[in-house]
Amino acid sequence: AQSVTQPDIHITVSEGASLELRCNYSYGATPYLFWYVQSPGQGLQLLLKYFSGDTLVQGIKGFEAEFKRSQSSFNLRKPSVHWSDAAEYFCAVGSSSNTGKLIFGQGTTLQVKP
Amino acid sequence: DTAVSQTPKYLVTQMGNDKSIKCEQNLGHDTMYWYKQDSKKFLKIMFSYNNKELIINETVPNRFSPKSPDKAHLNLHINSLELGDSAVYFCASSRLGTGGTGELFFGEGSRLTVL
Repeated sequence: AQSVTQPDIHITVSEGASLELRCNYSYGATPYLFWYVQSPGQGLQLLLKYFSGDTLVQGIKGFEAEFKRSQSSFNLRKPSVHWSDAAEYFCAVGSSSNTGKLIFGQGTTLQVKP
Repeated sequence: DTAVSQTPKYLVTQMGNDKSIKCEQNLGHDTMYWYKQDSKKFLKIMFSYNNKELIINETVPNRFSPKSPDKAHLNLHINSLELGDSAVYFCASSRLGTGGTGELFFGEGSRLTVL
């Protein structure tokens, strides 16, 4: 069965510091992988996605993620965090058969210290 | 112009009541979804409709009945509300089939509180 694990429930970083949010997935075939961000009281916004090709994908707001098949990981990174990046981050896996169903991780809460 | 809009944004109601949440998308997508986010922020799919046909039903209680009058609308009706139904319900849409990427576009959520 498909599953997504985000090992870090809560992360605090200082503004300007680098960030890495971890995501591990379990899926039998090549997955579609996504990172979404949820600001308080808001819906989810797509940061980036991976379907195939280059394993390093660039997203909005300066985020990037790297797909590592050997580690079943899709970690999200940002070189310098801004206070406005404080939010909930969700990793999700979808089927390559494109049914539209996404399985989400439990989320990582990012707090940014001034 | 909001791409995926849900109403109402907040509902507070008593146990046993019936309530509805409406969703509309103006993205021209062919597929719409309801996701439930519980108090621990865990997101789980409930239903999916493709061109008005139900394609995903994740063993949700019969008290939940989705309806899709057309491709742009997906409503959720909940009968006999229970305390455990308290959650944030998100509507989403996507384009499946050839050229579809599986990317979901989410509404802002409807927070349901059952007292």
